Amino acid sequence: SQTIHQWPATLVQPVGSPLSLECTVEGTSNPNLYWYRQAAGRGLQLLFYSVGIGQISSEVPQNLSASRPQDRQFILSSKKLLLSDSGFYLCAWSFRGTGELFFGEGSRLTVL
Amino acid sequence: RKEVEQDPGPFNVPEGATVAFNCTYSNSASQSFFWYRQDCRKEPKLLMSVYSSGNEDGRFTAQLNRASQYISLLIRDSKLSDSATYLCVVTITTSGTYKYIFGTGTRLKVLA
Repeated sequence: SQTIHQWPATLVQPVGSPLSLECTVEGTSNPNLYWYRQAAGRGLQLLFYSVGIGQISSEVPQNLSASRPQDRQFILSSKKLLLSDSGFYLCAWSFRGTGELFFGEGSRLTVL
Repeated sequence: RKEVEQDPGPFNVPEGATVAFNCTYSNSASQSFFWYRQDCRKEPKLLMSVYSSGNEDGRFTAQLNRASQYISLLIRDSKLSDSATYLCVVTITTSGTYKYIFGTGTRLKVLA
């Protein structure tokens, strides 16, 4: 069966510090991968999606970036965090096509 | 106009009540439709897919009206455990990739 792991679960970072969130999927190949952010009391905002190694599409201009160095690994990064980067970050995957989207357990980021 | 719009609620209903949520989407080329459930501070999980002919899963019924670009979710005989935020999701295709677009969610609180 397929599983998705995301870490760290919680982190508190000062403004201006770097960020790295990691996500891996097991039990499948060539998944579509997604990063979403959910600000407090808000909906899910699609940040990045990827259909293959090194292929990243960005949805919203911001100081975040994403990379996919391996087929089942998706990384979200920032060189300098802003207060507005606080939120609940969710990695997700789907099979090719429009089936169910499966989420990791999320990473809760607080920028102080 | 938002791509997917939902009434944020909250909907406060007594146990045993029937409650209906609505969702509208703006992109007529949207291909697949889902309802997700999100518990507080947790990742979203699939509740049910929505098919053109309408579909039912136990106490839950989903309907799709492509002409009006409208999706609905009906919950019968509400349980305390149904308290959550319900997210409407549509997929659109961009450059051969499926993007999952989420509504902001409708909060439901079932009261004893």
